[in-house]
Amino acid sequence: DSGVTQTPKHLITATGQRVTLRCSPRSGDLSVYWYQQSLDQGLQFLIQYYNGEERAKGNILERFSAQQFPDLHSELNLSSLELGDSALYFCASSQMGVMGEQYFGPGTRLTVT
Amino acid sequence: DAKTTQPTSMDCAEGRAANLPCNHSTISGNEYVYWYRQIHSQGPQYIIHGLKNNETNEMASLIITEDRKSSTLILPHATLRDTAVYYCIVKPQGSSNTGKLIFGQGTTLQVKP
Repeated sequence: DSGVTQTPKHLITATGQRVTLRCSPRSGDLSVYWYQQSLDQGLQFLIQYYNGEERAKGNILERFSAQQFPDLHSELNLSSLELGDSALYFCASSQMGVMGEQYFGPGTRLTVT
Repeated sequence: DAKTTQPTSMDCAEGRAANLPCNHSTISGNEYVYWYRQIHSQGPQYIIHGLKNNETNEMASLIITEDRKSSTLILPHATLRDTAVYYCIVKPQGSSNTGKLIFGQGTTLQVKP
């Protein structure tokens, strides 16, 4: 158990819909990262927040957005969903913004039908 | 960020040492070598990291060559539970960088009884 929690574990929704994935980092960790893992693209970095502020952006679509709240939990919002958005979405946390290891949650499996 | 090259797959007998190589010939001075593994769609798990000295923890040892252009992750006594995809990642850690991880294809390690 990494100490990072993600909800829900599974999500099935239709094209065009909007969903919100939630992540609670390990106690004391200030950074939250979101990654997407699809069969054809592998694990890809989406976005990082550090202590409530956006720190880095990766291959995140404009239809996707995220935020980190004062209690440090984070949400990833996916809208206008397409079939290709079906993937595993992982959240990770770390103490600092740059250094050190990241601890990953169990992921949310999103299926868009 | 420096690119890494890993063999696509490797086999190891249970109880024997598993030696997973990684080439990172374009690594620069402020870049660390990190290893993570992912067991069957679970969240990636941090294993070990290092800069230039060899490192050991309860999970594994990391041997980095003197020129830092390659490294080897050693699992001293592989078990069936070590079957996973192993990712070697090179990550800069200066204050101007972010903490994002760039995952390649990794090495699929199959531990056989």
